[in-house]
Amino acid sequence: EPEVTQTPSHQVTQMGQEVILRCVPISNHLYFYWYRQILGQKVEFLVSFYNNEISEKSEIFDDQFSVERPDGSNFTLKIRSTKLEDSAMYFCASMSGTSFDHTQYFGPGTRLTVL
Amino acid sequence: KNQVEQSPQSLIILEGKNCTLQCNYTVSPFSNLRWYKQDTGRGPVSLTIMTFSENTKSNGRYTATLDADTKQSSLHITASQLSDSASYICVVRKRNQGGKLIFGQGTELSVKP
Repeated sequence: EPEVTQTPSHQVTQMGQEVILRCVPISNHLYFYWYRQILGQKVEFLVSFYNNEISEKSEIFDDQFSVERPDGSNFTLKIRSTKLEDSAMYFCASMSGTSFDHTQYFGPGTRLTVL
Repeated sequence: KNQVEQSPQSLIILEGKNCTLQCNYTVSPFSNLRWYKQDTGRGPVSLTIMTFSENTKSNGRYTATLDADTKQSSLHITASQLSDSASYICVVRKRNQGGKLIFGQGTELSVKP
């Protein structure tokens, strides 16, 4: 069964460094999402991406964040200058967008630790 | 404010027993409600989806209900198994919002032998 994959599974970085989290959505899916979950808290929406552009973003998704679909298969989340409070689990999700399936399928997540 | 609240926060039951988890939401306009299961360190996996017109939906040992008038949903798990130990998250999708999901904080279920 197709699944969303994410790399790396765990990323440790120093405050102020740039990180890129990578996701490979399910092929032929058209909608892509990033969510984050700070330890012990709810999963929070960050951004949705469709047709090569951001369709919606939350207030968390400020100028330090960016997303890209560089090659038609990968979907990346970049944090330019990480802060301690960016430490969280980051989940990528994809959705086909067809009329009969609006399920968002989540990847296993990348645990980001900012020191 | 668009919110999803769940209760209880955590629950411990014996293997084989049934349990019911609750969800209240204030999200509007409402599109659908899903229950997700999240194992520790893993991404959420969809269990059921409920639209505005649906009251009850079953998926194996999972039965979800939805009362769109009172904006409440429940997830009933029958004949619990050890592998049911996980966080169960109520997630509401807003209509016309490009698929943005609003998550509850989850109920941490622990099934003991």
